[in-house]
Amino acid sequence: QIQLVESGGGVVQPGGSLRLSCAASGFTFSKYGMAWVRQAPGKGLEWVAFIRYDGPNQYFADSVKGRFTITRDNSKDTLYLQMSSLRPEDTAVYYCAKEGVTDYFDRWGQGTLVTVSS
Amino acid sequence: ELVLTQSPATLSLSPGEKATLSCRASQSVSSYLAWYQQKPGQAPRLLIYDASTRAAGIPARFSGSGSGTDFTLTISSLEPEDFAVYYCQQRRSWPPTWTFGQGTKVEIK
Repeated sequence: QIQLVESGGGVVQPGGSLRLSCAASGFTFSKYGMAWVRQAPGKGLEWVAFIRYDGPNQYFADSVKGRFTITRDNSKDTLYLQMSSLRPEDTAVYYCAKEGVTDYFDRWGQGTLVTVSS
Repeated sequence: ELVLTQSPATLSLSPGEKATLSCRASQSVSSYLAWYQQKPGQAPRLLIYDASTRAAGIPARFSGSGSGTDFTLTISSLEPEDFAVYYCQQRRSWPPTWTFGQGTKVEIK
């Protein structure tokens, strides 16, 4: 069955960096776009970044543009989110999500918590 | 900027009742609208995509409708496990951005 397993979350100071990973299994990873979606404590869902199946095209929410980078290694079936210049408002559970046939996300990981605090 | 507005913010109903959730887009969008369910401490789960197509394994009591700017998620008869938060989501064509509504909480009355 399809599985997405995030890792790499933790506590980081403002201005710091962190890299999240999402290990995929149960589907042909290299054929699907992938995204990161976050959820601040007690808040709704916010799309963060998206990368096409083949990698060269990436898109970011304005709130993270210039600070976050999304990449993928199709040989390792793994998605990454490199986060830098972190702010307290980046505190959230970060989910990786698999793109469906059209513009939706049909599978989600369990999430990893990132806390930005001094 | 595309904004999705969900209403009501909270819906208080009893098991067996019908739930009607609304999602309104700030501009006319395609029919590529999705609905997700999220329970406390869990990841979102896809319910409906392309406005009206149920995802695999989703019970028939869940249905979606609408086009343009107005979309509806209907739960025909609430089961105890349906009490959760529901989000709508749409993608803008260019530049690509994915937008979620702020959510509707369906709570037990």
